[in-house]
Amino acid sequence: GAVVSQHPSWVICKSGTSVKIECRSLDFQATTMFWYRQFPKQSLMLMATSNEGSKATYEQGVEKDKFLINHASLTLSTLTVTSAHPEDSSFYICSAPLSGGSSGDTQYFGPGTRLTVL
Amino acid sequence: EDQVTQSPEALRLQEGESSSLNCSYTVSGLRGLFWYRQDPGKGPEFLFTLYSAGEEKEKERLKATLTKKESFLHITAPKPEDSATYLCAVTFAGTYKYIFGTGTRLKVLA
Repeated sequence: GAVVSQHPSWVICKSGTSVKIECRSLDFQATTMFWYRQFPKQSLMLMATSNEGSKATYEQGVEKDKFLINHASLTLSTLTVTSAHPEDSSFYICSAPLSGGSSGDTQYFGPGTRLTVL
Repeated sequence: EDQVTQSPEALRLQEGESSSLNCSYTVSGLRGLFWYRQDPGKGPEFLFTLYSAGEEKEKERLKATLTKKESFLHITAPKPEDSATYLCAVTFAGTYKYIFGTGTRLKVLA
């Protein structure tokens, strides 16, 4: 099956610091990856679409200067939370579609990263 | 407005007590409907993809069906290990983005 990994699985940082989260597709290439945020007992909220070789596309209301996305290769996308504040504490999850991201593609999700900002 | 609604919000079953979860949608030009299972503190785990009305898929105790307006996830003789949140999502014509439902939290009691 399609496997997506994330690193780290959890991170605690101080307010004002930056944190980088990695998302890797382990057994397939992903030209597109998605980054989601999930609050307790809520569903997933799409933050941005990461595109290999081009700029990420951010959803309305998501600060692109705060959540930096880099799709470095066909198997790696990174999300950097810059100048993190306690309100950025959340569960961040990435996903990758198996077939390039066209409508109807199944997305495979990573295990998530729990970010806690003190 | 494109929407996905899941019901019930929460469900408690006794072990062996079969039931169904519902995912209704109001989107134009459905391209795919997806079911996932999510355990606490983990990412969603893929279960099924359905593309057209009348389609059915099965995996162990789970069976997913699709009509033109809704999908059902049938759970037959559930076990405590089936306890999780079940999420459905859809994509529609012109976009690859998922629209998620709010999920059904299932608890199966031994």
